[in-house]
Amino acid sequence: NAGVMQNPRHLVRRRGQEARLRCSPMKGHSHVYWYRQLPEEGLKFMVYLQKENIIDESGMPKERFSAEFPKEGPSILRIQQVVRGDSAAYFCASSSGQGGQPQHFGDGTRLSIL
Amino acid sequence: AQSVTQLDSHVSVSEGTPVLLRCNYSSSYSPSLFWYVQHPNKGLQLLLKYTSAATLVKGINGFEAEFKKSETSFHLTKPSAHMSDAAEYFCVVSVDGGSQGNLIFGKGTKLSVKP
Repeated sequence: NAGVMQNPRHLVRRRGQEARLRCSPMKGHSHVYWYRQLPEEGLKFMVYLQKENIIDESGMPKERFSAEFPKEGPSILRIQQVVRGDSAAYFCASSSGQGGQPQHFGDGTRLSIL
Repeated sequence: AQSVTQLDSHVSVSEGTPVLLRCNYSSSYSPSLFWYVQHPNKGLQLLLKYTSAATLVKGINGFEAEFKKSETSFHLTKPSAHMSDAAEYFCVVSVDGGSQGNLIFGKGTKLSVKP
């Protein structure tokens, strides 16, 4: 089953380190979305990418966060100099980009900051 | 602007009894609406979607939802709860069918099912 694959499933970092979260979309999907889920909250949109392009980054924090979706390989969400408040579950979704087609979600990466 | 409000943060039912999870939406455009389910430590699974076709939408696992424009509601129902239905449910709105751009999530409703 070639669903959306995220790794790692759990990531522990100390304050000030970098976190890299990976997402491989479903087969045939070229649109990737990243969401963050804080405890007791719904998911909040962060960024929408197509291959080699950022389409919408209106939900990304202005500093320390970046995302890419290269021509080859998975999409990467990168968090530099992590702080305690970055602890959350980060979900990736993908779609074909065709009208009416829903986004399919991965199982998420749980990021814990010590 | 689009938004969703899930009226109950926690719903508890007995196995075999009906389930009702309530959702109201706000949208400047003709919305697309979705219900997703999240089991513990898992990703989100699409239960059903409304995209301006039939107002009564049938989804997986016996769930269905009815789009009521006059009430701006999209409540999720199931005639008979099963233990495996215990999870968190999210009502979601998108202005463009959900495939382009971002989805807007409600805060979720945790469903507990008692034996």
